[in-house]
Amino acid sequence: AQSVTQLDSHVSVSEGTPVLLRCNYSSSYSPSLFWYVQHPNKGLQLLLKYTSAATLVKGINGFEAEFKKSETSFHLTKPSAHMSDAAEYFCVVSDLGEGYKLSFGAGTTVTVRA
Amino acid sequence: ETGVTQSPTHLIKTRGQQVTLRCSSQSGHNTVSWYQQALGQGPQFIFQYYREEENGRGNFPPRFSGLQFPNYSSELNVNALELDDSALYLCASSDPTGVLSTDTQYFGPGTRLTVL
Repeated sequence: AQSVTQLDSHVSVSEGTPVLLRCNYSSSYSPSLFWYVQHPNKGLQLLLKYTSAATLVKGINGFEAEFKKSETSFHLTKPSAHMSDAAEYFCVVSDLGEGYKLSFGAGTTVTVRA
Repeated sequence: ETGVTQSPTHLIKTRGQQVTLRCSSQSGHNTVSWYQQALGQGPQFIFQYYREEENGRGNFPPRFSGLQFPNYSSELNVNALELDDSALYLCASSDPTGVLSTDTQYFGPGTRLTVL
């Protein structure tokens, strides 16, 4: 079975400071891991994806995530937050054993202070 | 290349009614998945269709049903609507058997269903 736990329901940062969103996963197989972002009243946009090619994954808009198998973690970071980063972020896991079904975490709400 | 589109954008129904939501997949994608996102929660997997056949189902009752057509577009039907069915319904397309064999799912903007 696959599942995801997002460790923070809400993160508040000042503009220009780093952002860290924490995610732990559980999977029976070698998983694919994703981060999606959802702006208010919008659909989901893919930020980045891990598929075992490299443990440090770079995504769009300056985001990156590091896969750590020993810690079963896939934390998302950005060195400098921008006002436009205010949104809901979802950590997602998918594996072959679940037929590529996506399992979402509960989400982390990011607010950015001016 | 067009992205995933969904219709309608918003819908209001009353309890007990039936509703049909529509999704057009991204060009070349043969797999469509549907998700329900209740307010303040992460999306929950409803089911997936691959080449017109159901290919996996989440923990949703049989009154949630779907179809996929030869052009890979899809419908989600919900019968006997309940108040708890109020949610954002998201459609996602992918091509896990294609040249790139990617399981990445690309989402549409969603349909906001309100049940009164």
